[in-house]
Amino acid sequence: DTEVTQTPKHLVMGMTNKKSLKCEQHMGHRAMYWYKQKAKKPPELMFVYSYEKLSINESVPSRFSPECPNSSLLNLHLHALQPEDSALYLCASSQDGQETQYFGPGTRLLVL
Amino acid sequence: AQSVTQLGSHVSVSEGALVLLRCNYSSSVPPYLFWYVQYPNQGLQLLLKYTTGATLVKGINGFEAEFKKSETSFHLTKPSAHMSDAAEYFCAVTWGGGKLIFGQGTELSVKP
Repeated sequence: DTEVTQTPKHLVMGMTNKKSLKCEQHMGHRAMYWYKQKAKKPPELMFVYSYEKLSINESVPSRFSPECPNSSLLNLHLHALQPEDSALYLCASSQDGQETQYFGPGTRLLVL
Repeated sequence: AQSVTQLGSHVSVSEGALVLLRCNYSSSVPPYLFWYVQYPNQGLQLLLKYTTGATLVKGINGFEAEFKKSETSFHLTKPSAHMSDAAEYFCAVTWGGGKLIFGQGTELSVKP
């Protein structure tokens, strides 16, 4: 089983809202990732968690706040977003930081 | 800087024709190599990967790719295109450390 699940599938929020994206995997993977993808572009890495610790932050604005409560779960907390943050947000996981990444279906975010 | 180049942002083939999507990476050190497919409004699905061993790799849906170290290439092929193959294809590489470097993507269209 190589399934990564993400909720919600779609999210519309205003610039003053606070919302969270959720990602879950039950493959025993120890590395989890958040990516942002704009239309017709490749995914851009935002954050990497390895063994539940933040290992990479690609200079992401503080209005995006990741959290890894346990080895199966990854959250992305959103606050005071801008319209240009509208995108598809993808979660991925891998056995560790070296191996194949498996992606979830994504959350389509629209910021009004 | 290490990079991945996909030649052709858009490839169009007829149903039943050969599919060839090109990918080259820039490094003298061979990376791990991947091809992902993305259907509209979906996440990325792993098609195939090369880490070590046999340089001709078979993936899902009849796709295969050959790693050629001398040419720093990892081109994706399928002998006979099907309408359901129409999608965006991303080549990606990693030299470890949790960072997956993507090419810009190739949109494959299949004409009846």
